[in-house]
Amino acid sequence: DTEVTQTPKHLVMGMTNKKSLKCEQHMGHRAMYWYKQKAKKPPELMFVYSYEKLSINESVPSRFSPECPNSSLLNLHLHALQPEDSALYLCASARLAGAQETQYFGPGTRLLVL
Amino acid sequence: EDKVVQSPLSLVVHEGDTVTLNCSYEVTNFRSLLWYKQEKKAPTFLFMLTSSGIEKKSGRLSSILDKKELFSILNITATQTGDSAVYLCAVVTGGFKTIFGAGTRLFVKA
Repeated sequence: DTEVTQTPKHLVMGMTNKKSLKCEQHMGHRAMYWYKQKAKKPPELMFVYSYEKLSINESVPSRFSPECPNSSLLNLHLHALQPEDSALYLCASARLAGAQETQYFGPGTRLLVL
Repeated sequence: EDKVVQSPLSLVVHEGDTVTLNCSYEVTNFRSLLWYKQEKKAPTFLFMLTSSGIEKKSGRLSSILDKKELFSILNITATQTGDSAVYLCAVVTGGFKTIFGAGTRLFVKA
C-alpha cells in the first residue's frame, strides 16, 4: 500500500481567509513533504519533515505554516495568501528506513486564491 | 547551487518507437535519483537509483545511473499512446532536499 491522502481536493479562498490543507499516510513513513506545483512546471519543494521535525524550509513565506502533529499527519496552514499562490499543492511521504527515499505523492489539493 | 537538467524538454514519437530521456545533475551530497511519470494528476513513481551501472527495469521501461558523469537515462521501448506524459527526474540530497528537473513532455502518436 503506497497511499497518501490529501484533503480537500479543491479549495477556493479569499486573500483574508485562513484555511488548512491536510495530508495523511499510514505506511509508517518517517519523512513528509509539501510541494507547490504551478501549471506546466515541476514540483517545487516547500517543506520537509523527517521524524516529525522540520528539517527543510525552502525560504517559504510565513503565510504558509506547516505542522506535523504526529508521524502520520501533515498540515499546511494558509493565511493571507496572494493570487500568485494559486497552484496544486502536493504532499509526499518516504519511508527513510533502509535508505528507502522513494517519495509517494498524494493526489494534491488544487488551490485558487481570489 | 544544486541543479537538475532534463533533455529534451519535449518529444513527439510514433507508437512502437524507442525513446531515451536524459537527466543530468550537479548537486552536493547526492543521495538518490528518482524518476516519475506525471499525467493530469500527481506524479507516479517509476524508479529510484542510488548505484552506478545497475539497470532497473519495469516492463518496457528501464533506467540507469552514472555517478561519475552525473547523469541518468530513462528508456521506453515499443512506446504506446498511454506513455504520453511528463517524465520528471528528481535528485535527493542531504537532509532529503529534493530538486526536480523541468521534465520531458512526451507525446506518442498513434
